[in-house]
Amino acid sequence: ETGVTQSPTHLIKTRGQQVTLRCSSQSGHNTVSWYQQALGQGPQFIFQYYREEENGRGNFPPRFSGLQFPNYSSELNVNALELDDSALYLCASSSGLNTEAFFGQGTRLTVV
Amino acid sequence: AQSVTQLDSQVPVFEEAPVELRCNYSSSVSVYLFWYVQYPNQGLQLLLKYLSGSTLVKGINGFEAEFNKSQTSFHLRKPSVHISDTAEYFCAFHTGGFKTIFGAGTRLFVKA
Repeated sequence: ETGVTQSPTHLIKTRGQQVTLRCSSQSGHNTVSWYQQALGQGPQFIFQYYREEENGRGNFPPRFSGLQFPNYSSELNVNALELDDSALYLCASSSGLNTEAFFGQGTRLTVV
Repeated sequence: AQSVTQLDSQVPVFEEAPVELRCNYSSSVSVYLFWYVQYPNQGLQLLLKYLSGSTLVKGINGFEAEFNKSQTSFHLRKPSVHISDTAEYFCAFHTGGFKTIFGAGTRLFVKA
């Protein structure tokens, strides 16, 4: 059974650019959540996808968007990058809406 | 508003000494409580969880936590720490909804 994998592990982008982060959920999991963890802070919920539909969203602007595919893998897209978007982005998958979530290693995004 | 407060940002402790990491939460509804550990440059690993039942919960690596509903606390304890326990620890909860709310984290530093 493979765990949650995220790609890439590290990324450097310029302010104003767009970025796509990817997440492969654990086998058998149909729910994916994305979190932003700024340096020295706890993770902040961005949004969740359940069976390819957005199931809930945190306090993030519309330039943060996502997708979930039929195989339950997921993408996080961020447009018009700002310096404050620099953070560790974590993906977590679970087998249902109220079950334990398993986290990936994260993608470290640096915006310069 | 729902929130998690981790009362200590850093906890230095000598190897083989006991440790307690404090966590208080604020929610108007029942919660499910979690403690996660994060090692440098890694994702989050679940240490333990409280869903219902016994208020004393045992987790991995010798950690345990006690849920106190009247004090809205969920403190994490270990009777004897090791150098390898040095990491960031996050208290979190969700209310059965779509997002998990995390505290800001406590950095546990175990000294030889």
